Amino acid sequence: ETGVTQTPRHLVMGMTNKKSLKCEQHLGHNAMYWYKQSAKKPLELMFVYNFKEQTENNSVPSRFSPECPNSSHLFLHLHTLQPEDSALYLCASSQEWGAQPQHFGDGTRLSIL
Amino acid sequence: AQSVTQPDIHITVSEGASLELRCNYSYGATPYLFWYVQSPGQGLQLLLKYFSGDTLVQGIKGFEAEFKRSQSSFNLRKPSVHWSDAAEYFCAVAPDNYGQNFVFGPGTRLSVLP
Repeated sequence: ETGVTQTPRHLVMGMTNKKSLKCEQHLGHNAMYWYKQSAKKPLELMFVYNFKEQTENNSVPSRFSPECPNSSHLFLHLHTLQPEDSALYLCASSQEWGAQPQHFGDGTRLSIL
Repeated sequence: AQSVTQPDIHITVSEGASLELRCNYSYGATPYLFWYVQSPGQGLQLLLKYFSGDTLVQGIKGFEAEFKRSQSSFNLRKPSVHWSDAAEYFCAVAPDNYGQNFVFGPGTRLSVLP
């Protein structure tokens, strides 16, 4: 138990669907992150939120839309995804943005049909 | 910009044997260094971290790592591997200031033979 919970654990969706991934942490952390982990590729940082403000968007396509309503919750809204978006999406949090250990959730395994 | 390399993509060891996973970084100053482990179907779990002080760092699950500034390395070691150690291991680097991102290495997959 890392203190970071992601739901759902698995998601299968068609390219025209709209779905959302949810991440929740009760560690009192102020920074939250979305990563994409594809087979045989390094972890890719997608978004960073620090005190609910987006501080990083690493050229992520607009079909991925993050939302951070408060420091404990982070969402990733998905629409019109492509097959290459199939991956494990990991959420992480840390006390502050930067040189702090990041605590990861178990991820959402996303499959695009 | 900082970077991290893990030269070994896949390592296989026998149960009970010793283990060393290599990590090299490129950064102008002394960064903060981390090792994470990812078991199949799970997220990344922090094994240990180095910020400053003693260059030999003890972590969970019997792992340790040694920071060597002269070699820009932060290798992970375990004296006796257990079958449950089979997983993917990631080295990560963060600059020594806030507001910057981690850089993760590509990972080393560890297989353990019975």
